[in-house]
Amino acid sequence: QVQLVESGGGVVQPGGSLRLSCAASGFTFSSYGMHWVRQAPGKGLEWVAFIRYDGSNKYYADSVKGRFTISRDNSKNTLYLQMNSLRAEDTAVYYCSRVLRFFMDVWGKGTTVTVSS
Amino acid sequence: AIQLTQSPSSLSASVGDRVTITCRASQGISSALAWYQQKPGKAPKLLIYDASSLESGVPSRFSGSGSGTDFTLTISSLQPEDFATYYCQQFNNYPQLTFGGGTKVEIK
Repeated sequence: QVQLVESGGGVVQPGGSLRLSCAASGFTFSSYGMHWVRQAPGKGLEWVAFIRYDGSNKYYADSVKGRFTISRDNSKNTLYLQMNSLRAEDTAVYYCSRVLRFFMDVWGKGTTVTVSS
Repeated sequence: AIQLTQSPSSLSASVGDRVTITCRASQGISSALAWYQQKPGKAPKLLIYDASSLESGVPSRFSGSGSGTDFTLTISSLQPEDFATYYCQQFNNYPQLTFGGGTKVEIK
């Protein structure tokens, strides 16, 4: 079945780095754009980044621009989010999601990132 | 950036009630709006897209309406499994997306 599985979350100190992965299965990963969306504890959803199906274009929320990098490896059916210069306000559950037209029709279960000293 | 304001932020309702949630955009977004349902500890689930189109597999008691700046999500007869938080999301300036602040539907 169609599935997205995130991994790579954990506890990191402020200023540190982390790389999240999202493994896709059950569909032709290389045909779909992908998003990262996050949710801080007790808060709402925040869009983080988008990458086109072929990796040719990438877009970021202002809150992460210059610090986070989205990428993908279509040969491995995997999406990535490299997070550098992490701040306490980056603490959240990070979800990857598949794009259907302009909205998100499939979501992973999320991976938790905690930025704390 | 386009802002989305949901109201109410929370509501209490009983099984069988008709529930309406509103989402207002800071500028016109045509019908570029989706609605998601999120249960505690779970990922969001797509309910409605293009403001009024029902995602496959979603019960028909859910419906969406509106265009421009004002949108509504209606649950015609609230069921126990519908207690959750609901978010609107605009994609008018795709791929930069924004979500509303959420509406938590609780049991009365």
